[in-house]
Amino acid sequence: GDSVTQMEGPVTLSEEAFLTINCTYTATGYPSLFWYVQYPGEGLQLLLKATKADDKGSNKGFEATYRKETTSFHLEKGSVQVSDSAVYFCALIPSSGAGSYQLTFGKGTKLSVIP
Amino acid sequence: SQTIHQWPATLVQPVGSPLSLECTVEGTSNPNLYWYRQAAGRGLQLLFYSVGIGQISSEVPQNLSASRPQDRQFILSSKKLLLSDSGFYLCAWSGSGGGQPQHFGDGTRLSIL
Repeated sequence: GDSVTQMEGPVTLSEEAFLTINCTYTATGYPSLFWYVQYPGEGLQLLLKATKADDKGSNKGFEATYRKETTSFHLEKGSVQVSDSAVYFCALIPSSGAGSYQLTFGKGTKLSVIP
Repeated sequence: SQTIHQWPATLVQPVGSPLSLECTVEGTSNPNLYWYRQAAGRGLQLLFYSVGIGQISSEVPQNLSASRPQDRQFILSSKKLLLSDSGFYLCAWSGSGGGQPQHFGDGTRLSIL
């Protein structure tokens, strides 16, 4: 079945450092890919998405590019802030078929940004 | 714009008691609706989803049930809670059809004593 693997955390960075959180996936066909962010005690917020190969999703300074050849969707940000401290989830959903109602999530990566 | 409301935010219940969590969506029609559970330190598990009124699909066998009495209302229930039902419950909605991004509520923290 489909699966998502993302780098284990926690990740601790200083403010203004560069962030990369790796995410790779296994799926048939061409799933849509997402990054969600969860702040402490809150639900998940959709951060960015990409629906086809070579698409780049971007939001709030975060970017991720859908790489079909490497089955990857790595999250990057050039300069992190303390307010970016949260848990980040990579996820996929098939574009069609019986499984296209179920998001498959990675286990999450906890990011802590220190001043 | 669309909004999703989920309540209560926090709930403490004794083992064996019933449960009812409610979720409503505003600003859209005929959404797909979902219930997830997030156990401490673990990822998210899809429990139920619904593509229309009265239509419920269960992903994991358990002592929970779901109902969709109205287009934008989704309810998670149990007749008798177990200790293992503790967790963070999240409701989500998406546009109709498959392959859509899902948008989450703020969650309910359920503790079973």
